[in-house]
Amino acid sequence: NAGVTQTPKFQVLKTGQSMTLQCAQDMNHEYMSWYRQDPGMGLRLIHYSVGAGITDQGEVPNGYNVSRSTTEDFPLRLLSAAPSQTSVYFCASKEGVGELFFGEGSRLTVL
Amino acid sequence: SQQGEEDPQALSIQEGENATMNCSYKTSINNLQWYRQNSGRGLVHLILIRSNEREKHSGRLRVTLDTSKKSSSLLITASRAADTASYFCATAFSGNTGKLIFGQGTTLQVKP
Repeated sequence: NAGVTQTPKFQVLKTGQSMTLQCAQDMNHEYMSWYRQDPGMGLRLIHYSVGAGITDQGEVPNGYNVSRSTTEDFPLRLLSAAPSQTSVYFCASKEGVGELFFGEGSRLTVL
Repeated sequence: SQQGEEDPQALSIQEGENATMNCSYKTSINNLQWYRQNSGRGLVHLILIRSNEREKHSGRLRVTLDTSKKSSSLLITASRAADTASYFCATAFSGNTGKLIFGQGTTLQVKP
């Protein structure tokens, strides 16, 4: 099993550009989520999904869109990137109330 | 604001000593989890303690939960240089066990 796979690992954008961070899991987990990690801020929840077709907002959803058309995939879209979105992004998945399995992260820089 | 608050923010100890990290939270929880993150990597799950449990052990790890004080602690005994990492607590709310909210973390340095 690959677990949780995130792409790309690194990305540089210019302000106003759009992009999609991809996340895929092969564990058949119903729950998937996106976090961002900034120095001194820990991890903050952006969006999460409890199953295909269902998404909900986390702590810091503004500027990000998500969709969940399949159990396996949970892409995160930045429609118009801003320097404040420079961060490390983590995708994670779990089953029920259990532990989260994390991807290795995507480091995004917005100039 | 974040659900979990951790202290200390940073901890530096000698190999062989014990390390204790604390986590406080604000609302009722279903469970509380601890994670570890090595520099530049994703987080790895360490231990989960349910709201009806008071203590849990896993190897050199001991976690306690006090729901009346809304707090938890993680004890790492006989620390090793390889334990150097950041440690995070995460809480699953009683009413919504889907999402996990993380604290700001404790950075642990274990000196050889």
